[in-house]
Amino acid sequence: KAGVTQTPRYLIKTRGQQVTLSCSPISGHRSVSWYQQTPGQGLQFLFEYFSETQRNKGNFPGRFSGRQFSNSRSEMNVSTLELGDSALYLCASSSGQGRSSGNTIYFGEGSWLTVV
Amino acid sequence: TQLLEQSPQFLSIQEGENLTVYCNSSSVFSSLQWYRQEPGEGPVLLVTVVTGGEVKKLKRLTFQFGDARKDSSLHITAAQPGDTGLYLCAGNNNDMRFGAGTRLTVKP
Repeated sequence: KAGVTQTPRYLIKTRGQQVTLSCSPISGHRSVSWYQQTPGQGLQFLFEYFSETQRNKGNFPGRFSGRQFSNSRSEMNVSTLELGDSALYLCASSSGQGRSSGNTIYFGEGSWLTVV
Repeated sequence: TQLLEQSPQFLSIQEGENLTVYCNSSSVFSSLQWYRQEPGEGPVLLVTVVTGGEVKKLKRLTFQFGDARKDSSLHITAAQPGDTGLYLCAGNNNDMRFGAGTRLTVKP
């Protein structure tokens, strides 16, 4: 079956703009989590959704938000972009109730965001 | 402070050499995963270990989960350039946490 699909793969934005990234989980997976990956900080957890509800949130400012739709697809939004937001944003899906359930998570290829 | 400490942070070796990378924590995990991430791609799951002392083999890769389920190791035999990538471990304990990774380069 198809893996986790993220769009767009690459995008460039200017400071102050906002961006929306999209994620389609593996069919049948209801849990979606988002991560930010940078060379300096590694993989940092952003938030997790299950059945359209945010279950966990990492230590990121309110400019980072997300949502999940009834078909389990998810979007994340970053407003008022800063240069430091340049990163690879990864979406992952899992069966069961996600990260806390011990189920394995499967990653998409990521969305590369460059803020100039 | 990383909950999971991975070492070494960087490793550069010649094709054919053997290597071991480590993932250590003071916390006990119900399971632990290893992922490999190639440049520009998302992490790909290699293995999940669940039982303390468990050893799993995946071709030239051998994964071991510590008896106390606090640490794990990944051993690669006769490394090949295709093994190049970032190796990440992730521990499950009512939540999932990632190590910072070991960046492996295998030179032909």
